[in-house]
Amino acid sequence: QKEVEQNSGPLSVPEGAIASLNCTYSDRGSQSFFWYRQYSGKSPELIMSIYSNGDKEDGRFTAQLNKASQYVSLLIRDSQPSDSATYLCAAGGATNKLIFGTGTLLAVQP
Amino acid sequence: KAGVTQTPRYLIKTRGQQVTLSCSPISGHRSVSWYQQTPGQGLQFLFEYFSETQRNKGNFPGRFSGRQFSNSRSEMNVSTLELGDSALYLCASSLQGGNTEAFFGQGTRLTVV
Repeated sequence: QKEVEQNSGPLSVPEGAIASLNCTYSDRGSQSFFWYRQYSGKSPELIMSIYSNGDKEDGRFTAQLNKASQYVSLLIRDSQPSDSATYLCAAGGATNKLIFGTGTLLAVQP
Repeated sequence: KAGVTQTPRYLIKTRGQQVTLSCSPISGHRSVSWYQQTPGQGLQFLFEYFSETQRNKGNFPGRFSGRQFSNSRSEMNVSTLELGDSALYLCASSLQGGNTEAFFGQGTRLTVV
């Protein structure tokens, strides 16, 4: 059983739309959650971190966490073609390691 | 502030050889984690070091090993290389480990022929 699950996509949205990326995790001991963006051939880049239930906004990005449902999401408003990338969800806990999902490929159509 | 530096960026090795990869974390970060990324398996955790001690290890064979030095720089070694070891090897640096934000280096692309 995968510990962090994401839909592999591709998720295709038109330019200017809201992209919604979702992630579930199995370890209830997970305490911290992160979203990374990875362009093809590049390394992952941290874009959001969230530690408590609710929403956290940073520019066009909003991360949402629901620990009761073991669910994390990332919303990207006003999506741009430059947002086209793979988005990785990661969960961290007491084991001192980040567990990553396999990522969702986002394609923003001009 | 300098980011995470990994060297070398690219490597081509022959089956049976060994390889050493290096990672210099962000200044002040004491935790370094290593990951293997392949198209089929995604990011797989190898191990994590904190203050020169290995705190956690993933499900990789003993051919994969690592260490961390007193300046927090870390090395990863793979012995007796196999074709299946071809991958992007990434290190991530963070202040304290799993619950804190981790920042990745550019990675080392290893090709085993």
